[in-house]
This record gives sequence, structure tokens and C-alpha cells, in this order.
Amino acid sequence: KQEVTQIPAALSVPEGENLVLNCSFTDSAIYNLQWFRQDPGKGLTSLLLIQSSQREQTSGRLNASLDKSSGRSTLYIAASQPGDSATYLCAVRAVAAGNKLTFGGGTRVLVKP
Amino acid sequence: SAVISQKPSRDICQRGTSLTIQCQVDSQVTMMFWYRQQPGQSLTLIATANQGSEATYESGFVIDKFPISRPNLTFSTLTVSNMSPEDSSIYLCSVAKGGTDTQYFGPGTRLTVL
Repeated sequence: KQEVTQIPAALSVPEGENLVLNCSFTDSAIYNLQWFRQDPGKGLTSLLLIQSSQREQTSGRLNASLDKSSGRSTLYIAASQPGDSATYLCAVRAVAAGNKLTFGGGTRVLVKP
Repeated sequence: SAVISQKPSRDICQRGTSLTIQCQVDSQVTMMFWYRQQPGQSLTLIATANQGSEATYESGFVIDKFPISRPNLTFSTLTVSNMSPEDSSIYLCSVAKGGTDTQYFGPGTRLTVL
């Protein structure tokens, strides 16, 4: 059974510092991995999708890497801003799970002005 | 991409009653998913809804408690039946475009059961 872990559970950084968020998964047979942002009490916003054949994806200040063999993905957010404060979730679509996503527990980020 | 709307956005309900949540997508999709997010927790898949067939429920979720309708390729409803305070959660509708591509989520329905 696929398990997805995100460490740390919470992170606080001063504005301008780079953010590094980690995601690990136990079954490397995946279709893709997706990073989401969730603001309190709201739905999820898709940030980046990395296919299993890709090593990284970039969008603006965001960069996500994928090392499928070691079961790891990292989301980098450059030059953090207070507006980046949110919970970040990673989710894996594993071959064994068909079309279903398995979510990590999330990392709650606070960027202090 | 996909734009998803949900109704209601939030509700406060009494124990023992039922609530139906609506999900509308701006384009036709094969599969729609319903998730639950309990306070302080991550997302748990309730069921997958395909148009024209019965929904497929995950372990721990049953049709009598969470009946789902999927009348067409852009709309679905989830009913939370005979509610208890333990059902207080955010319920999220989601779609995946192209089968294994990006998954999109609605804004969620925040349910509080008293």
C-alpha cells in the first residue's frame, strides 16, 4: 500500500528565505506526483504535476524535483513571501492504486514579514 | 484545466439530518472523485463516480451513508446521510483530466454538524 509522508509538518521562515518542502513515498511505481496548495478552509490549488518520466518541473518561483527510485520529491519556493503562507500537500498517483491519488499529511508554512 | 464549483460552500446542520452537496464542472469528465478532509487532517477519498454506473466506494465508506449521483459528465452530488458531529469536515469534489493527468479540486463544502 502506497504511503506518502511530508516532513516537516510545519515550517516558519522569514520573508525572502527559500522554502524547501519534502515528500516521500513508499511505492516507486507511480504515474505522476502532484503538489497542491491549500489555504485555510479552502479547496486545493494545483501547483505542479511531475510525470514519472520527468525529473523536475518549474513554474515561476516554484520548482519541484522527482527522484522516483528513492521515492522522493522536493518543492522549492524561491524568495518566499507572506502570501506563500498556506498548507502544501503532495499526492502520488500510483500504478497499483489505479486512478486514485494518495495524499501526504501536508506541510503548514508560515512566512513572516 | 477544469473549473469546479460546489454548493453549498458551507452549512451547519443538526444531528440526524442529511445534506446534499452539488458539484459542477465546466467541461465533460469521465471520472469525478469525492474527498473528505477532517479537521487538521489530510484528504481521504470517499468514492469515485463514473457517469452511467454505480460509484465505487473506498474502504470505510458505504453507499447508505454517502449516496452519490452522477447523472451526466459535468455534474455529481454527494449526500451525507443521518449526520453526526463526526461528519463535520470539508467535502471536496475533484476531477482528473485525461485519466492520469492533473487533478483539479473544487472549493470545498465546509460542513458542521451540531
